[in-house]
Amino acid sequence: DVKVTQSSRYLVKRTGEKVFLECVQDMDHENMFWYRQDPGLGLRLIYFSYDVKMKEKGDIPEGYSVSREKKERFSLILESASTNQTSMYLCASRSTTPGQYFGPGTRLTVL
Amino acid sequence: GENVEQHPSTLSVQEGDSAVIKCTYSDSASNYFPWYKQELGKRPQLIIDIRSNVGEKKDQRIAVTLNKTAKHFSLHITETQPEDSAVYFCAATYNKLIFGAGTRLAVHP
Repeated sequence: DVKVTQSSRYLVKRTGEKVFLECVQDMDHENMFWYRQDPGLGLRLIYFSYDVKMKEKGDIPEGYSVSREKKERFSLILESASTNQTSMYLCASRSTTPGQYFGPGTRLTVL
Repeated sequence: GENVEQHPSTLSVQEGDSAVIKCTYSDSASNYFPWYKQELGKRPQLIIDIRSNVGEKKDQRIAVTLNKTAKHFSLHITETQPEDSAVYFCAATYNKLIFGAGTRLAVHP
């Protein structure tokens, strides 16, 4: 069974803080993704990575950066958190076949 | 840019009725169309998918149809049960998944 884990289920941060969200998958998947989920907007792609040290911007990359130093780990970084980044963040991974597997999500609140 | 539209945003049915959710996509190069189910407080789970070389696929009570010419695809759930209540997302991809906004399905006993 594919396992995708995220470092926190709930996180509360203050405006201006640097925030790290970690995602780890144990299936040796090449591809990893970060989405944010907001009511009425579905899942929007922030960044994705097809290989170690490789990253591509998704649809809403502004205010975010990512790091993929190891194949199993994909980190999302909010350099200076803002209140409009309060959201549910979902990580996903997949191999060369298209079906994606999601992590449990991190609900981030920025005060 | 690439876009997936999903309708309706909410759907309420009686147990045993059928439910249909429809999506349209803009990128004609899209070749893979998954559907995800997300129960309250849980992660999205892949429930069925279809590739562009197939027009219909069934798995027990759920089925997906694809019309490539019209660029739309649909999820059909028959004999709905209360445990089908969830948010359903469609998606389309050529190289990265683009999701619809989701449909909240409520099945009433």
